[in-house]
Amino acid sequence: EDQVTQSPEALRLQEGESSSLNCSYTVSGLRGLFWYRQDPGKGPEFLFTLYSAGEEKEKERLKATLTKKESFLHITAPKPEDSATYLCAVYGGGADGLTFGKGTHLIIQP
Amino acid sequence: DTGVSQDPRHKITKRGQNVTFRCDPISEHNRLYWYRQTLGQGPEFLTYFQNEAQLEKSRLLSDRFSAERPKGSFSTLEIQRTEQGDSAMYLCASSLYGGKNYGYTFGSGTRLTVV
Repeated sequence: EDQVTQSPEALRLQEGESSSLNCSYTVSGLRGLFWYRQDPGKGPEFLFTLYSAGEEKEKERLKATLTKKESFLHITAPKPEDSATYLCAVYGGGADGLTFGKGTHLIIQP
Repeated sequence: DTGVSQDPRHKITKRGQNVTFRCDPISEHNRLYWYRQTLGQGPEFLTYFQNEAQLEKSRLLSDRFSAERPKGSFSTLEIQRTEQGDSAMYLCASSLYGGKNYGYTFGSGTRLTVV
């Protein structure tokens, strides 16, 4: 069974204070690892897909990296509008649905 | 195309009543998924369709839940004899299977409260 564990559960940063969110996973035959952003009361918004170890993708202040056991979402010089819950999910060989972690609730204080 | 649409956005129902939700996916997407999300948890997979065929159902989907996707376009999710434990956000997503990017586009969800 595919499993995803995200840490920390919650993170409070000052504006401009860079940090990283972790996503550890176990999956049979990784076909893709996904990062989503979710604002309160809304559906998840797609950020990145990573397919193989060593792959990196960037978008504005966010950079996602992937190893064989975990993924990191690095946030550089965050702004208050980056406050959200960040979800990690895997798409493995065992099922046709994504398996999500519980998310990291990120708060950026001005 | 305005993305994935879900209706209603909010639904309050009494225990024991039946409810039905609707999802309109992105038109060129051939796969449609239903997920359920409770407070503080990530979305949990319920079921999915490829075109009009329902290909997989999670063990979370009890006999009280049924989903349809007639003609491979919009989908409905019905919950019969609702229970308080059914209170959650029900999310619909769609994707284009066969492309390299397996990423889903989610709708804004239907928030169900069973009282």
